[in-house]
Amino acid sequence: GAGVSQSPSNKVTEKGKDVELRCDPISGHTALYWYRQSLGQGLEFLIYFQGNSAPDKSGLPSDRFSAERTGGSVSTLTIQRTQQEDSAVYLCASSFRLPPDYEQYFGPGTRLTVT
Amino acid sequence: AQSVAQPEDQVNVAEGNPLTVKCTYSVSGNPYLFWYVQYPNRGLQFLLKYITGDNLVKGSYGFEAEFNKSQTSFHLKKPSALVSDSALYFCAVRMNSGYSTLTFGKGTMLLVSP
Repeated sequence: GAGVSQSPSNKVTEKGKDVELRCDPISGHTALYWYRQSLGQGLEFLIYFQGNSAPDKSGLPSDRFSAERTGGSVSTLTIQRTQQEDSAVYLCASSFRLPPDYEQYFGPGTRLTVT
Repeated sequence: AQSVAQPEDQVNVAEGNPLTVKCTYSVSGNPYLFWYVQYPNRGLQFLLKYITGDNLVKGSYGFEAEFNKSQTSFHLKKPSALVSDSALYFCAVRMNSGYSTLTFGKGTMLLVSP
């Protein structure tokens, strides 16, 4: 079946511009996660959506980062006034609802380069 | 708080030899533990998980991992490495009760030489 998809696969933007990254989770998965992967830094948790509950935004690094999930499916991660340190691969994952033993399924990621 | 340590940035092994990728964790209470693999320019793929029961967990592509509670470790192993196993491996942990996010280690690059 279809996996998690993300678009665009690559994004190059100028410092100060806003960007939007899109994630389509696996159908039926109610939990959706965003991570950031920087070289040598592993995966950094950004935000988590579960059904209609308020999202866990505890991982967002600054108020320039925001995310929404419409209709419990597609999610968009927005970065405003991008900075060079925002350059990274942004990964989206989805899973069945809690309990927490459900594994997460990852998309291929969006490579963001801020020049 | 929960954390994962992968002490080796890189592991080198010759094809056909056994491999071990190390992972230790810290979590309040009992853990759920996961291994993921990332091939170049690809997203993470689930390999295996420990939830409860048998400490030796078998997963995809011939990999297995052993949960050791006293040493708080969950090392990934394979009896005979393949060149195609070369990839970035991530260990992850979360508490097995309540709500918590998944915490990942920084990853270990496995290089298998022919």
